[in-house]
Amino acid sequence: SQQGEEDPQALSIQEGENATMNCSYKTSINNLQWYRQNSGRGLVHLILIRSNEREKHSGRLRVTLDTSKKSSSLLITASRAADTASYFCATRTHAGNMLTFGGGTRLMVKP
Amino acid sequence: ETGVTQTPRHLVMGMTNKKSLKCEQHLGHNAMYWYKQSAKKPLELMFVYSLEERVENNSVPSRFSPECPNSSHLFLHLHTLQPEDSALYLCASSQGAGGRTDTQYFGPGTRLTVL
Repeated sequence: SQQGEEDPQALSIQEGENATMNCSYKTSINNLQWYRQNSGRGLVHLILIRSNEREKHSGRLRVTLDTSKKSSSLLITASRAADTASYFCATRTHAGNMLTFGGGTRLMVKP
Repeated sequence: ETGVTQTPRHLVMGMTNKKSLKCEQHLGHNAMYWYKQSAKKPLELMFVYSLEERVENNSVPSRFSPECPNSSHLFLHLHTLQPEDSALYLCASSQGAGGRTDTQYFGPGTRLTVL
């Protein structure tokens, strides 16, 4: 089973609304990262949150991390049509060389 | 996206063909990665190179053969592929492979179709 699982798998909202995506994971982590992918393109790193951090902001993005529940959320405020993309969480364990990605949330923002 | 480039962007090949995917990073990073992204499946890590040495090989079939001649270039040699190998192949790089806070920078991918 995969380390990170996003919820929901798909989300459709109107421009201007907020979008919240959740990620759950199974094992202890060193950090959790969120990436964005436009259709058929490479992933772009958005934000990294360390295991000792609880919340982080970057522009219209807000990420929270609850290590007791092994979950994270990504909030995009005042969404725009250009935010339409797939969003992935990825976790790095304390010992690993690798990032383990979840299946992603497909976000559609309607103008 | 200009930090990590991949060629070709699209590739159609028959099962008996031999082809290679190329990745180049212009970021001065020491680690490079190959991922496979299939429809409705999570991103799958295939190979990790750190300072030109392979450090991870995630049980990838031998019909995929990676090559890392230097820290800026990474190849994926393909031969006798199967239709189920059709996918988006993504290359990524990071400052180091063991760094606990390393983020990865991805190329645009090669869309591979195996007929």
